Amino acid sequence: AQKITQTQPGMFVQEKEAVTLDCTYDTSDPSYGLFWYKQPSSGEMIFLIYQGSYDQQNATEGRYSLNFQKARKSANLVISASQLGDSAMYFCAMKLMYSGGGADGLTFGKGTHLIIQP
Amino acid sequence: DTEVTQTPKHLVMGMTNKKSLKCEQHMGHRAMYWYKQKAKKPPELMFVYSYEKLSINESVPSRFSPECPNSSLLNLHLHALQPEDSALYLCASSQDWPTTSADTQYFGPGTRLTVL
Repeated sequence: AQKITQTQPGMFVQEKEAVTLDCTYDTSDPSYGLFWYKQPSSGEMIFLIYQGSYDQQNATEGRYSLNFQKARKSANLVISASQLGDSAMYFCAMKLMYSGGGADGLTFGKGTHLIIQP
Repeated sequence: DTEVTQTPKHLVMGMTNKKSLKCEQHMGHRAMYWYKQKAKKPPELMFVYSYEKLSINESVPSRFSPECPNSSLLNLHLHALQPEDSALYLCASSQDWPTTSADTQYFGPGTRLTVL
């Protein structure tokens, strides 16, 4: 079974600074996907960024980038130039990918509560 | 458009009530999911529907009964719930590609359920 570990329960960051949220994962399967979601206090889970286990390049989406280190089994999220609206809970999640397809659920880490201070 | 809608936003029910949660997506996705999220915890998978068929049931008690009337709609019927079932119920959908791919799940805003 796969496991996701997020070791930072909470983080305080000054506005406009870059922030790195840690995520390590554990699986023996070679084919998997890693996802980051943002959950504001309203509750909706907002998809941010995806990295596949076979992707050679680190994923980027606007101010979000994923620092993927396969040998270390880490997939840290980097947010550049943080904004007040980035304050939220951030979840790292994982899903195994099967060559035959087939929907499967996400395994989530416990999350990191990020607070951006003015 | 990556919108998944859920109704109602909030629901308060007694232990003897019967109620239903509704989820809808118009992205042409063929997989739909129910997750349960307790306060300050990550979401936990409950059910997965793939091409309108139940493919995964994570040993959920029978007082939760899912239904997928068509590829755009997903319901969760609730009956004889317990106070510990109070949580945020999240619906998600994904393409359910036949080949290895991201198959990103997009979530709705959730229904906050309180069982008295």
